[in-house]
Amino acid sequence: GNSVTQMEGPVTLSEEAFLTINCTYTATGYPSLFWYVQYPGEGLQLLLKATKADDKGSNKGFEATYRKETTSFHLEKGSVQVSDSAVYFCALITFAGNNRKLIWGLGTSLAVNP
Amino acid sequence: KAGVTQTPRYLIKTRGQQVTLSCSPISGHRSVSWYQQTPGQGLQFLFEYFSETQRNKGNFPGRFSGRQFSNSRSEMNVSTLELGDSALYLCASSPDSLSSYNEQFFGPGTRLTVL
Repeated sequence: GNSVTQMEGPVTLSEEAFLTINCTYTATGYPSLFWYVQYPGEGLQLLLKATKADDKGSNKGFEATYRKETTSFHLEKGSVQVSDSAVYFCALITFAGNNRKLIWGLGTSLAVNP
Repeated sequence: KAGVTQTPRYLIKTRGQQVTLSCSPISGHRSVSWYQQTPGQGLQFLFEYFSETQRNKGNFPGRFSGRQFSNSRSEMNVSTLELGDSALYLCASSPDSLSSYNEQFFGPGTRLTVL
């Protein structure tokens, strides 16, 4: 079946450190891939997305590349800030006929220290 | 444009009671989805509504139900509450398109505590 696996957190970094959060997936067909972010006390917000192989999604300094050969969509940022402290969710969407399903990873908590 | 709103934001109930949560999607969005978020299980999909019809359903017991009104507002009901139903319930709306996926816009959630 379809699934998303994220690296477990919590991840703790110092400000300006390099961030990688791994995400791999299992899916039939050609899913679209997403990273969502949840700041403390808030709902989820779309951070970036990629809809086909080799696409790179980017936003707010974050990037992720859709790698079909390794079934991965790792999230990276070159220099994190304290304000990036949040929980990050990797997700994919698949279509089966007229039904769509959004499959979520368990989330990775990131804490950035000044 | 106003975002997705959910009411109430916080709720405390006791076992055996029932609860109704409300979600108002972004204007013009016709699809509303509900999720349960818990620390151990992450986000679990409950159901999706489109044009007052349930389109998709997750693997939750029949105690969890929902509906959507003609103005796209949606309600979720949980009957006979159990301790394990304590969670953050998130609502998300999207402009519906089956040809390409549009992002879901999430509300802030309703924090339900069952005592």
